[in-house]
Amino acid sequence: DTAVSQTPKYLVTQMGNDKSIKCEQNLGHDTMYWYKQDSKKFLKIMFSYNNKELIINETVPNRFSPKSPDKAHLNLHINSLELGDSAVYFCASSLRTARELFFGEGSRLTVL
Amino acid sequence: AQSVTQLDSQVPVFEEAPVELRCNYSSSVSVYLFWYVQYPNQGLQLLLKYLSGSTLVKGINGFEAEFNKSQTSFHLRKPSVHISDTAEYFCAVSLYNFNKFYFGSGTKLNVKP
Repeated sequence: DTAVSQTPKYLVTQMGNDKSIKCEQNLGHDTMYWYKQDSKKFLKIMFSYNNKELIINETVPNRFSPKSPDKAHLNLHINSLELGDSAVYFCASSLRTARELFFGEGSRLTVL
Repeated sequence: AQSVTQLDSQVPVFEEAPVELRCNYSSSVSVYLFWYVQYPNQGLQLLLKYLSGSTLVKGINGFEAEFNKSQTSFHLRKPSVHISDTAEYFCAVSLYNFNKFYFGSGTKLNVKP
């Protein structure tokens, strides 16, 4: 069983479209994250949820909206996609009291 | 503010040679330190972490790292690398009182036969 799974793995779309990425973890963790990895491999945190509550919201355009229906799921919806949104988006999870992140395999978004 | 600096963007090395990947951090509060590895087209996996105690930390795949508080460094080492160690390596810190991780820009380790 995959611990942190993301769908889709690849996403190619046109500018202006809206798309979603889904993430699920079966580790029993209470905290989930979205990270963006750009073409230079730089990883930047976007959002974090703890028990469905938003606890980290970095400077991200409001076209990006995370949603956590329960503590095992964290989705990312992106409106009006732009070329600069092209990146690999990683979901991760952890226990808030622990000190280790578990990553999904990433979702590569390409905006044409 | 916290920051993590990985001085080398790429490190080429021959198989069975030793390697050191450098990481320095800056923080005004206590931090925890981590090294993650990313193989091509995969997510990141934890190699090792320093939370407290002995400053020499051993991780998976024969890697180890040493926490040096005075030099604010956490360099990763392996005495003899394999082709399979070719990957991107990320140093990261998290704050003592908050579960937020800051990552360095990564070092690509390229092991040649």
